[in-house]
Amino acid sequence: KAGVTQTPRYLIKTRGQQVTLSCSPISGHRSVSWYQQTPGQGLQFLFEYFSETQRNKGNFPGRFSGRQFSNSRSEMNVSTLELGDSALYLCASSSGPTSFEQYFGPGTRLTVT
Amino acid sequence: QQPVQSPQAVILREGEDAVINCSSSKALYSVHWYRQKHGEAPVFLMILLKGGEQKGHDKISASFNEKKQQSSLYLTASQLSYSGTYFCGTENSAAGNTPLVFGKGTRLSVIA
Repeated sequence: KAGVTQTPRYLIKTRGQQVTLSCSPISGHRSVSWYQQTPGQGLQFLFEYFSETQRNKGNFPGRFSGRQFSNSRSEMNVSTLELGDSALYLCASSSGPTSFEQYFGPGTRLTVT
Repeated sequence: QQPVQSPQAVILREGEDAVINCSSSKALYSVHWYRQKHGEAPVFLMILLKGGEQKGHDKISASFNEKKQQSSLYLTASQLSYSGTYFCGTENSAAGNTPLVFGKGTRLSVIA
């Protein structure tokens, strides 16, 4: 079974721009969660989608948004990028809500200059 | 509410044991443990549900103390492959309407 894939793997953007990250979950998984990882802060929850519906949202500004498509693929968008948005963005999929074992993708390393 | 992990970092020699703690200020429904090696994605270790159960996974096991609102991860006879950052994630409700919140991690280094 193919694992969780994320594209692109690396991205360099300029402050003020916007970015879209993509995540393809494991086949059959309907839940996708997004996390921001920065040194010393651990994994900070962004949002969770289950069957195209946002079930939970973390404490991030409205510049961070996401969606899930009918094939369970998910995208997250960050508008008006700030330097502090530089981080590793991880996507995780599971067969059910977050109570289930999550499988993480390799992440997208975003650098904002 | 982010759970608190302790210690923040620990260095072990091969064969030594370690305990990593995860504490929450709110009642826990479940605790999830993940390990992330440098440059890799986090990998699932185990889930413990409300009920005070203990789980084992090779020489890595964990307990869940509902009263104390904490979980402990036990690594026995550590191997070089155990090195990495260990994260606990906590859920405070069984309803599924609260997200999994991760601690800041515990960096474990096993040396020969």
